[in-house]
Amino acid sequence: DTGVSQDPRHKITKRGQNVTFRCDPISEHNRLYWYRQTLGQGPEFLTYFQNEAQLEKSRLLSDRFSAERPKGSFSTLEIQRTEQGDSAMYLCASSRDGGYGYTFGSGTRLTVV
Amino acid sequence: QKEVEQDPGPLSVPEGAIVSLNCTYSNSAFQYFMWYRQYSRKGPELLMYTYSSGNKEDGRFTAQVDKSSKYISLFIRDSQPSDSATYLCAMNRRGSTLGRLYFGRGTQLTVWP
Repeated sequence: DTGVSQDPRHKITKRGQNVTFRCDPISEHNRLYWYRQTLGQGPEFLTYFQNEAQLEKSRLLSDRFSAERPKGSFSTLEIQRTEQGDSAMYLCASSRDGGYGYTFGSGTRLTVV
Repeated sequence: QKEVEQDPGPLSVPEGAIVSLNCTYSNSAFQYFMWYRQYSRKGPELLMYTYSSGNKEDGRFTAQVDKSSKYISLFIRDSQPSDSATYLCAMNRRGSTLGRLYFGRGTQLTVWP
């Protein structure tokens, strides 16, 4: 098991385009989380899943953001009609019930130009 | 006011120094307290995990929680240049099952030889 894997590592996109990121959690972890981190700030919660169910979604998450975890394994995060303010590091993490803390991936760095 | 406050630093110390990192919080429902270390261009990694008030030691690291003051600390003894990173505090207001974490903005630490 190589940990939490995120793809791509970097993405540059033009304003108004749609982007999709993928996260593969640690295989035995049933919980999966998405966070966003901007420079000089801590990670900001976006949403999380227990198996395939999306249990919580931040009020900060606009309708342009959607996340799925269709079979309770990998997850995708889509941003529609990207804006310059979406430029950030998007972090995925996973954990198991009864565990302590998360395991984070290395993130996808999005730049909107 | 953010729920978790953390001085961003930067903090610069010589090798061998004792480092003290701190966070304050406003929500008395927070029960679990964590410290993460984040190297540049990497995801955060869990360092310490504590529940309720008290101390927890792991090698050169000691975490303290004072719930009455809503104040948590991380001490690093005999600091090393490899400890140079951003340190994030995080908290969880759920029960034994992990959900959303609330992060501080991180303190940037440099340990010079």
